[in-house]
Amino acid sequence: KQEVTQIPAALSVPEGENLVLNCSFTDSAIYNLQWFRQDPGKGLTSLLLIQSSQREQTSGRLNASLDKSSGRSTLYIAASQPGDSATYLCAANQAGTALIFGKGTTLSVSS
Amino acid sequence: GAVVSQHPSWVICKSGTSVKIECRSLDFQATTMFWYRQFPKQSLMLMATSNEGSKATYEQGVEKDKFLINHASLTLSTLTVTSAHPEDSSFYICSAPLHDRRSGANVLTFGAGSRLTVL
Repeated sequence: KQEVTQIPAALSVPEGENLVLNCSFTDSAIYNLQWFRQDPGKGLTSLLLIQSSQREQTSGRLNASLDKSSGRSTLYIAASQPGDSATYLCAANQAGTALIFGKGTTLSVSS
Repeated sequence: GAVVSQHPSWVICKSGTSVKIECRSLDFQATTMFWYRQFPKQSLMLMATSNEGSKATYEQGVEKDKFLINHASLTLSTLTVTSAHPEDSSFYICSAPLHDRRSGANVLTFGAGSRLTVL
């Protein structure tokens, strides 16, 4: 059964820093891997989706990579801003199945 | 664009009552929908897979008689929390697979969630 792990659980950085959030998964036969953002008390905002055949996706200051062989994905945030403060969730699924979520990384960017 | 709509977005009820949460796929059909719950400061945990026209599949540890799921049409799944108790207070989120024509992938699209508080 797929398990998703995220490290670190929490991260505090000053504004402007580049940072990397890590996600690992146990079953490499994934269909999609998605990164989400969740603000306190709110729902999910989808950030990036990487299909099984892809290696990375980029959106603005965000870049997500996928290495199925090692069971890892990273989310790179460039030039962090206070508005980036949120919990970032990594999730993976097999074809036709539900996304399995990691426990998230709570990011705090100070100005 | 196509979205998943949840209703209500928040609900407060008394202990012992039942609460129904609706999940609708707008502009697309979903034979399968997924229900999650999220306790404070925890991640999303899959509760069950809702299947149109057949019984839901529940994850281990989720009581099927307490969390009734009905998927009577291709655009609507409902989750009923029966005889709710304070420990059922949680954030309930549904998702449905949407076929993205550009990428060819089925992308799980999430509702905004329903926050249940049981007094």
